[in-house]
Amino acid sequence: DAGITQSPRHKVTETGTPVTLRCHQTENHRYMYWYRQDPGHGLRLIHYSYGVKDTDKGEVSDGYSVSRSKTEDFLLTLESATSSQTSVYFCAISAAGQGDEKLFFGSGTQLSVL
Amino acid sequence: AQKITQTQPGMFVQEKEAVTLDCTYDTSDQSYGLFWYKQPSSGEMIFLIYQGSYDEQNATEGRYSLNFQKARKSANLVISASQLGDSAMYFCAMRGLNTGGFKTIFGAGTRLFVKA
Repeated sequence: DAGITQSPRHKVTETGTPVTLRCHQTENHRYMYWYRQDPGHGLRLIHYSYGVKDTDKGEVSDGYSVSRSKTEDFLLTLESATSSQTSVYFCAISAAGQGDEKLFFGSGTQLSVL
Repeated sequence: AQKITQTQPGMFVQEKEAVTLDCTYDTSDQSYGLFWYKQPSSGEMIFLIYQGSYDEQNATEGRYSLNFQKARKSANLVISASQLGDSAMYFCAMRGLNTGGFKTIFGAGTRLFVKA
């Protein structure tokens, strides 16, 4: 199994507070991704990184920021959490290559914003 | 813009029968990759099969095959001889090259129920 660790696994927070989720990999993969999963929407890409300090927006980036200061860590920050950000968040990684590289997923973080 | 569409929210299939899960996509890229992932009730994401846009042969992996029709922009997953353990969510995904490198987007998913 690919070495991907998400923390925390579960979090309950209040509206308006900042929240940071962490994704840590031991595979030295170039690409790292943050997705959110909601019923009826599948997985939607929030942000992704294609190298240290290189990031780009996904489909649903509003209200989220990311940082990648080291190859192994990719942080997702909810600047001021809202109830609409209650979701399951998945981190994924993939190797660099020609585009056929599959994603490896973390176990997910269940975030509840009250 | 890239988009993945899965029009079947839920599907039922009898054990040991074959089932096709639909996936259509939209992209202006010439080169892209198509993937299917399985998510059991445990929540983990499991890679099933990959098809490259330039691959002439349909991909197969055991009981899984991908019916790739490039002109129709469809990449349907066929599961042969369904098993009870195939009950899960199935996601179609597309990986394309952006300015910032490769990114992968997913469809909304299809929940498959296998009946004994």
